[in-house]
Amino acid sequence: GQQVMQIPQYQHVQEGEDFTTYCNSSTTLSNIQWYKQRPGGHPVFLIQLVKSGEVKKQKRLTFQFGEAKKNSSLHITATQTTDVGTYFCAGGNTGRRALTFGSGTRLQVQP
Amino acid sequence: EPEVTQTPSHQVTQMGQEVILRCVPISNHLYFYWYRQILGQKVEFLVSFYNNEISEKSEIFDDQFSVERPDGSNFTLKIRSTKLEDSAMYFCASRGGRVTDTQYFGPGTRLTVL
Repeated sequence: GQQVMQIPQYQHVQEGEDFTTYCNSSTTLSNIQWYKQRPGGHPVFLIQLVKSGEVKKQKRLTFQFGEAKKNSSLHITATQTTDVGTYFCAGGNTGRRALTFGSGTRLQVQP
Repeated sequence: EPEVTQTPSHQVTQMGQEVILRCVPISNHLYFYWYRQILGQKVEFLVSFYNNEISEKSEIFDDQFSVERPDGSNFTLKIRSTKLEDSAMYFCASRGGRVTDTQYFGPGTRLTVL
């Protein structure tokens, strides 16, 4: 079945440093979605990428979807303590209704 | 902004008991999902529901699980005979009619099986 891998599992940065998490799917995706989950919270939708090679920005966050639509990345510039949480990618497929979540990257930001 | 709601927020039950987790999806959404997340692990898909029937389910969703949309608003997940390993956060999600529509997650129900 489809698998979505995400690295790193955990990253600890100093406030102001950049952060990147990478997502790889075993199969071609129709779209990829990114979610943020705060400790004790539920996944909150951040963004969806649909097109091959697509790049989207949300303030300090930059999302990329690979040309082959099998990988994606999320980059945060100049992290802040409010960025703390676990970032999940989730792959969507036209053949399936459900999302396949990656294992998540837990981000800790040291003030 | 419309949101998915779930009740209860926390359910504690004895092993072997039946539990029903309730969700109210966003009103004009057509697809409904249950996911679970064991503490510290990733979100895992359980089942999707469309047009009053299950459209897809994972290997986790065995005969102990069932889903229902008993009226126009509620969407429930029933676990017939809970096991210790069913302890997890259960999230309901819903989305609109297009494949690329976003899935919106509810706040979750924390199920603790003793």
